[in-house]
Amino acid sequence: GESVGLHLPTLSVQEGDNSIINCAYSNSASDYFIWYKQESGKGPQFIIDIRSNMDKRQGQRVTVLLNKTVKHLSLQIAATQPGDSAVYFCAENTMGYSTLTFGKGTMLLVSP
Amino acid sequence: SQTIHQWPATLVQPVGSPLSLECTVEGTSNPNLYWYRQAAGRGLQLLFYSVGIGQISSEVPQNLSASRPQDRQFILSSKKLLLSDSGFYLCAWSRIEVRAGLGYTFGSGTRLTVV
Repeated sequence: GESVGLHLPTLSVQEGDNSIINCAYSNSASDYFIWYKQESGKGPQFIIDIRSNMDKRQGQRVTVLLNKTVKHLSLQIAATQPGDSAVYFCAENTMGYSTLTFGKGTMLLVSP
Repeated sequence: SQTIHQWPATLVQPVGSPLSLECTVEGTSNPNLYWYRQAAGRGLQLLFYSVGIGQISSEVPQNLSASRPQDRQFILSSKKLLLSDSGFYLCAWSRIEVRAGLGYTFGSGTRLTVV
């Protein structure tokens, strides 16, 4: 479910480092996953998605890994930049359902 | 292309006053529509969603209500605001099959402060 009452965990990295943001999901029936980026004061924006028939998908500087065995999702950001500083949410969906279930989010802070 | 409009961007309201936040979508038909709330430094809490005109599903019992008077219009309301209603309110839309359109597209949000 949604952990909306908890403060966000924070990941602090240096510019140029690779960042890994993790997400555990609870519903074994979920078969579609999305990562969103939310900058301060804005709505979340789509970064990358993955379906359960894949275990890895790459975009521009981002890679999503899916481990269905342990119900774990990760987002890897290569050569992290200050503009990557934001809150990152994972979301899951089960076929036939109209809603996404969001993870609790992770705040990424990139220092120059 | 599809766009989502949400207003106002910021709102300061006294306790006990009414609330009306509006969200409209352009460039698509029969979207799913959603209202989320986000407290400062917290996650996303689903408040309401709608899969069609007049069809509202409430996720959390509270001081708020939602209506969908037109296909691409979603309104969040309250008759009497509480201090605890303060937060960042986000509207979103998706295709009927959520994954067909890469999940949700969010609006820019409304920062509500109840004083």
